[in-house]
Amino acid sequence: EVQLLESGGGLVQPGGSLRLSCAVSGFTFSDNALNWVRQAPGKGLEWVSSITGSGGRTYYADAVKGRFTISRDNSKNTLYLQMNSLRAEDTAVYYCAKNSSGGYYFDSWGQGTLVTVSS
Amino acid sequence: DIVMTQSPDSLAVSLGERATINCKSSQSVLDSSNNKNYLAWYQQKPGQPPKLLIYWASTRESGVPDRFSGSGSGTDFTLTISSLQAEDVAVYYCQQYYSTPCSFGQGTKLDIK
Repeated sequence: EVQLLESGGGLVQPGGSLRLSCAVSGFTFSDNALNWVRQAPGKGLEWVSSITGSGGRTYYADAVKGRFTISRDNSKNTLYLQMNSLRAEDTAVYYCAKNSSGGYYFDSWGQGTLVTVSS
Repeated sequence: DIVMTQSPDSLAVSLGERATINCKSSQSVLDSSNNKNYLAWYQQKPGQPPKLLIYWASTRESGVPDRFSGSGSGTDFTLTISSLQAEDVAVYYCQQYYSTPCSFGQGTKLDIK
């Protein structure tokens, strides 16, 4: 059974930093691209960032480019999101999501971790 | 970037009746080289992460009840629930994965009438 478990969320002041982690099990970690998708309170889904299975390519939404960095440790089966220069509009539940092997849709999701940016 | 627009924003349907949700993309998400539409549907219940229902516009994910079906091509797509059950109350999202950044519709909230 595929499992994704996010951690690292919390309350941070504007301009601060936070690192999210997503521990993964149940599939060959390096075989699949992984993603971060966020959902602001009461709002819809917004893709944030993706990383290929090898970690060689990364992609970012314009809203976070230059502030967030996605990475993965294939020896630890863990995905990361380093978030710097946080803004109030980054407040959201952050989900890690696994790409299907067949296409860039998301076939497994974690439960999410809440990031609140507020003074 | 491709913009996804769903209609309606909310919908109330009686138990056992059909529910239809529409999704329109600002550009075609059909790849003519493989004749595949890069369109997925997700269901999100309160307090839960999204769940994949449909991919390639019409392929049902394993374990998804067959009352859920997807149709459409190019820029216009539909999610149909043939006979609404109480457990189908949720918000439904379409997503295009034809190009980066992938993008979601704004969501359609489905309730029981």
